[in-house]
Amino acid sequence: DAGVIQSPRHEVTEMGQEVTLRCKPISGHDYLFWYRQTMMRGLELLIYFNNNVPIDDSGMPEDRFSAKMPNASFSTLKIQPSEPRDSAVYFCASSSTSGSWNEQFFGPGTRLTVL
Amino acid sequence: AQSVTQPDIHITVSEGASLELRCNYSYGATPYLFWYVQSPGQGLQLLLKYFSGDTLVQGIKGFEAEFKRSQSSFNLRKPSVHWSDAAEYFCAVGATGFQKLVFGTGTRLLVSP
Repeated sequence: DAGVIQSPRHEVTEMGQEVTLRCKPISGHDYLFWYRQTMMRGLELLIYFNNNVPIDDSGMPEDRFSAKMPNASFSTLKIQPSEPRDSAVYFCASSSTSGSWNEQFFGPGTRLTVL
Repeated sequence: AQSVTQPDIHITVSEGASLELRCNYSYGATPYLFWYVQSPGQGLQLLLKYFSGDTLVQGIKGFEAEFKRSQSSFNLRKPSVHWSDAAEYFCAVGATGFQKLVFGTGTRLLVSP
């Protein structure tokens, strides 16, 4: 398997623009997680899905952030409008309830820079 | 609710010396415990995991960790550190029936020549 795939790997945008981050989980995994990592706040869980349904979005910082999972093989995290404080590395991870003990597999991340 | 504490933000170890990274967790039942490593510019990679059985678990890259229920700890060890081990290390705890993991704040390992 190719692992968790994220695109783009790097994104530079200007304040006020819409940003869409994409994730393809490992095939057969039924859980998908979005994390944000910054120097100040460390690794934060933003939202996670089970069978394409959002389970917990309490980590989403504000209404400018939204996430969708239209099918089992694709998820997006959208920021509209973006702000400089959204600059961070965003990770997607997936796991399987039929797999090994909650183990999450992480993608390589998307480094977002908002100017 | 589960929680994880990694008391050391940074640790510097000489190459060839032994390493121990500390992790303390809080959870009422038997936890699932994980150590992940993040190299610069990379995603998180699983080093090892524990759920039950032998309390000393072996992982990749020569790492091991020991689960001590009495101390609520899951410390990561390596007998001889290599320069390539310089990275950030995250301890995480999970619970039966829940796929969500709670991560610690991480420990950054620096390896000196």
